[in-house]
Amino acid sequence: QSVLTQPPSVSGAPGQRVTISCTGSSSNIGAGYDVHWYQQLPGTAPQLLIYGNSNRPSGVPDRFSGSKSGTSASLAITGLQAEDEADYYCQSYDSSLSGRVFGGGTKLTVL
Amino acid sequence: EVQLVESGGGLVQPGGSLRLSCAASGFTFSSYGMHWARQAPGKGLEYVSAIAGNGGRTYYANSVKGRFTISRDNSKNTLYLQMGSLRAEDMAVYYCARVGVTYGPYESWGQGTLVTVSS
Repeated sequence: QSVLTQPPSVSGAPGQRVTISCTGSSSNIGAGYDVHWYQQLPGTAPQLLIYGNSNRPSGVPDRFSGSKSGTSASLAITGLQAEDEADYYCQSYDSSLSGRVFGGGTKLTVL
Repeated sequence: EVQLVESGGGLVQPGGSLRLSCAASGFTFSSYGMHWARQAPGKGLEYVSAIAGNGGRTYYANSVKGRFTISRDNSKNTLYLQMGSLRAEDMAVYYCARVGVTYGPYESWGQGTLVTVSS
């Protein structure tokens, strides 16, 4: 059981918009710690997608956006493309555990 | 270009030991905190351990505390993870990652090295 809760899977057709939620608690997201998102393409290492709740590293398309409110965060992907099919993970810091925590991951399928 | 290259993975028996290395290049290694994370086959990501840029502070997940030791040699631009008393549940791909600021993201990841724990 992951400290941060994500839906196991989401799907959407090309061109559509999907969102992936990441629910935490008062010891992590709700305590004000930033949320970061990673994309893991099949058979590869994870890559940073969103940092500091809503910031995109250079090279990440603006189709990807992040937000945070209360004890939750969300990743939105607009204009879905086949190449977006991957696993997505949220991450934050948990003060009770004194360490980083990840969500369980969400598999995005582009129909 | 930032590069992180892990090595040292392999097959080890339950109860055995293994040392992983992560060779860094393309940045001032001593200026960055470094982390280890792992991913069991078909599973999600899990934080394992962290170390400050100067090596002065180390941190561990509860699941590995007392069994794993993180260290770094800034003169060799290399991060290490000494793993002991290995269990079946430690079997995973181990990644090293660079962190720029406290509570910041894993800015760069290595390609990972597979640790298999089996008799």
